[in-house]
Amino acid sequence: GQQVMQIPQYQHVQEGEDFTTYCNSSTTLSNIQWYKQRPGGHPVFLIQLVKSGEVKKQKRLTFQFGEAKKNSSLHITATQTTDVGTYFCARNTGNQFYFGTGTSLTVIP
Amino acid sequence: GAGVSQSPRYKVAKRGQDVALRCDPISGHVSLFWYQQALGQGPEFLTYFQNEAQLDKSGLPSDRFFAERPEGSVSTLKIQRTQQEDSAVYLCASSLTQGTGGRYTFGSGTRLTVV
Repeated sequence: GQQVMQIPQYQHVQEGEDFTTYCNSSTTLSNIQWYKQRPGGHPVFLIQLVKSGEVKKQKRLTFQFGEAKKNSSLHITATQTTDVGTYFCARNTGNQFYFGTGTSLTVIP
Repeated sequence: GAGVSQSPRYKVAKRGQDVALRCDPISGHVSLFWYQQALGQGPEFLTYFQNEAQLDKSGLPSDRFFAERPEGSVSTLKIQRTQQEDSAVYLCASSLTQGTGGRYTFGSGTRLTVV
């Protein structure tokens, strides 16, 4: 369907370990966005990727868009307890905007 | 306003009651979405407005759900004859750009509980 799949669904890491979530689509994406949702909160925009093979960094976060524009990843280096939350990729198609299934990150102090 | 404002923040409705959820997008934002988020799930697309035009309502789960944005700013999501399965957080998001490829700012949501 229209939804993009994310793996893993859940991830528990020790504080200081790295974390990666992957977003996969069966169709080519025009662009992809990433959002973070803290427990009890609402999604907050992190970044948008548009170009094939694009890599963008925000401090400890690295975002990649695949060469075929069908997948994307978010990597967090040296996780901190403030990184806790669910990370969603999201795509637009026509007049619709869909969220991925999400990866819930727990950071153990 | 500075952000997207949703009201009420919490709503408890008896089964069969009608409810109206309000979204005040950021001033000047053209695009507006409504989402439904069940506990532990991701946001599910409900409907999309570009100014006052509802361009897509394919995500509305039944004809009990109705959304409007008559003047291209404030939007209302109405649910008639609420059912227990309607219990969820309803999120509104807006974007400055026309079309669905923009950067979205979300409101804090309305948590609806149907008892």
